[in-house]
Amino acid sequence: ETGVTQTPRHLVMGMTNKKSLKCEQHLGHNAMYWYKQSAKKPLELMFVYSLEERVENNSVPSRFSPECPNSSHLFLHLHTLQPEDSALYLCASSQDGTGNSPLHFGNGTRLTVT
Amino acid sequence: GQQVMQIPQYQHVQEGEDFTTYCNSSTTLSNIQWYKQRPGGHPVFLIQLVKSGEVKKQKRLTFQFGEAKKNSSLHITATQTTDVGTYFCAASSGNTGKLIFGQGTTLQVKP
Repeated sequence: ETGVTQTPRHLVMGMTNKKSLKCEQHLGHNAMYWYKQSAKKPLELMFVYSLEERVENNSVPSRFSPECPNSSHLFLHLHTLQPEDSALYLCASSQDGTGNSPLHFGNGTRLTVT
Repeated sequence: GQQVMQIPQYQHVQEGEDFTTYCNSSTTLSNIQWYKQRPGGHPVFLIQLVKSGEVKKQKRLTFQFGEAKKNSSLHITATQTTDVGTYFCAASSGNTGKLIFGQGTTLQVKP
């Protein structure tokens, strides 16, 4: 499925670096999400954007900064991360932002913080 | 906050045996969704249940939503090696966009 594209697929960064994750959806959806998936933990919702407005910020540290310039693109800006932030970061989109429509996930970015 | 508990965490079965994973919430849910994540892959949507007591089937997979809309199950009949992966339930209790995932059940199938 290529409806949701994430880049890069893998990222290694030091704690003082600044990097960005990119997500693009080609499904005409109105909502986009960032989820974090760590080993032995459930998928953690980070941010929800509906019609380009942030509707959910799930107590995420400020070193993670999302940006949604339009309904097709979503970014996650990273700065001064900690080793415990190493995880798979998954972007998803859905028809609407109500939580009542299925999520379409990208392949994820595997992030390692050294 | 809302939590969704899923059990078991792991299940190893012989090919041909049945498999069931359960999802429970302390709050009434608007809907429940099920996803499958293959090793090294990303979660893929399987199905959504909305109505109290709803039962849906997809080939060897049977999905149920409890009468009180607080629990759900996924049952696989006669597992195959292609069923290997982690099965997640995900639920919301309103129109907040906050879809909360269970911890997942990882299924291993021995040929």
